[in-house]
Amino acid sequence: GAVVSQHPSRVICKSGTSVKIECRSLDFQATTMFWYRQFPKQSLMLMATSNEGSKATYEQGVEKDKFLINHASLTLSTLTVTSAHPEDSSFYICSAATSGGQETQYFGPGTRLLVL
Amino acid sequence: SQQGEEDPQALSIQEGENATMNCSYKTSINNLQWYRQNSGRGLVHLILIRSNEREKHSGRLRVTLDTSKKSSSLLITASRAADTASYFCATKAGGTSYGKLTFGQGTILTVHP
Repeated sequence: GAVVSQHPSRVICKSGTSVKIECRSLDFQATTMFWYRQFPKQSLMLMATSNEGSKATYEQGVEKDKFLINHASLTLSTLTVTSAHPEDSSFYICSAATSGGQETQYFGPGTRLLVL
Repeated sequence: SQQGEEDPQALSIQEGENATMNCSYKTSINNLQWYRQNSGRGLVHLILIRSNEREKHSGRLRVTLDTSKKSSSLLITASRAADTASYFCATKAGGTSYGKLTFGQGTILTVHP
């Protein structure tokens, strides 16, 4: 149980295009989903927290107009990187949790984004 | 320094040896969690220890928490080559209404067969 999937697993895009990453909780309802970013050999940095049906809460320094988050249902959250640039290349990981994330978060396998 | 600092940054041991990783944090916490990440993959939850707990076991894993020193340790006993991965501690701050986790920098563990 508690499986989280992400799609796509890898994406290569041209600079200036937008990329959408999906995060799905497969066997449970996630009231809260989190989006993280991880650069090579570094730790995870929380980008934003999304609750189903409400606007995402972004961490300081994360541009909400560049990283659009939609949590339309209890099993799906999407992250859209708009007008991507090479510096947006990174590993994006989502996690999902029940009960507002008070306990364990279940992480997706990550999406590797390369912007050329 | 950041919440959730870990040491060592890298640890190289032989199969069968024990591996100990440490994590320090700065603010009060609700719980502390340890995760494992294989190269280029997502995170796997290993163990959660609450602020009122001092020690927890799960298989070959032993986690301790010392809230007075704001530190935690993860011990992997009888290590195997398959334990090779990065290990992260993550803290959930006390008093928050949602589950924001702050991750440490991680320890890269290499277990040689």
